[in-house]
Amino acid sequence: SQQGEEDPQALSIQEGENATMNCSYKTSINNLQWYRQNSGRGLVHLILIRSNEREKHSGRLRVTLDTSKKSSSLLITASRAADTASYFCATDSGGYNKLIFGAGTRLAVHP
Amino acid sequence: DAGITQSPRHKVTETGTPVTLRCHQTENHRYMYWYRQDPGHGLRLIHYSYGVKDTDKGEVSDGYSVSRSKTEDFLLTLESATSSQTSVYFCAISGGKGENTEAFFGQGTRLTVV
Repeated sequence: SQQGEEDPQALSIQEGENATMNCSYKTSINNLQWYRQNSGRGLVHLILIRSNEREKHSGRLRVTLDTSKKSSSLLITASRAADTASYFCATDSGGYNKLIFGAGTRLAVHP
Repeated sequence: DAGITQSPRHKVTETGTPVTLRCHQTENHRYMYWYRQDPGHGLRLIHYSYGVKDTDKGEVSDGYSVSRSKTEDFLLTLESATSSQTSVYFCAISGGKGENTEAFFGQGTRLTVV
């Protein structure tokens, strides 16, 4: 069973627009992480937010975490064509840094 | 790619044959993982290791076994491959900076069972 579920499944925007992806999960967590995957490649870590944090920034990325609603959002500001990829949320809740992934959001940024 | 090498990168095998995938790291991370990625499912954890000779099952472990005889190597074996095991397999490592830290992924192995 998947812990995290992303919404929307697919998102298509123009360069310069902001992209928002949401993630919901089911159990208590140690942290929640976001990863990016370009087509045919491995996953790249973007940002980690711990259960006692509410918001975190990294460059054009902003992540929020609401543990009461068991949800997180990833905002990419001023999107670029190079941001086209699949984005996954993953939760760490069982020790050993094990991650449980959602099905991902496919983001397409058009020039 | 954080010093993670998966081999082979692509493999086609016949139903019923044994297959071993290898993951090699040069980062000295404590934890290693095998995931499979299928359309509509994201990544699902097959097995993981928390030290040499210490392994445990993940979410989708049936039909798979693993071994870790050295810190740097984590092997995934399909004892008798089935078509349902056609997938992309990713190795990941974590724990280089302790608990509650991110994972680093290999480039993946595309396995086709015919």
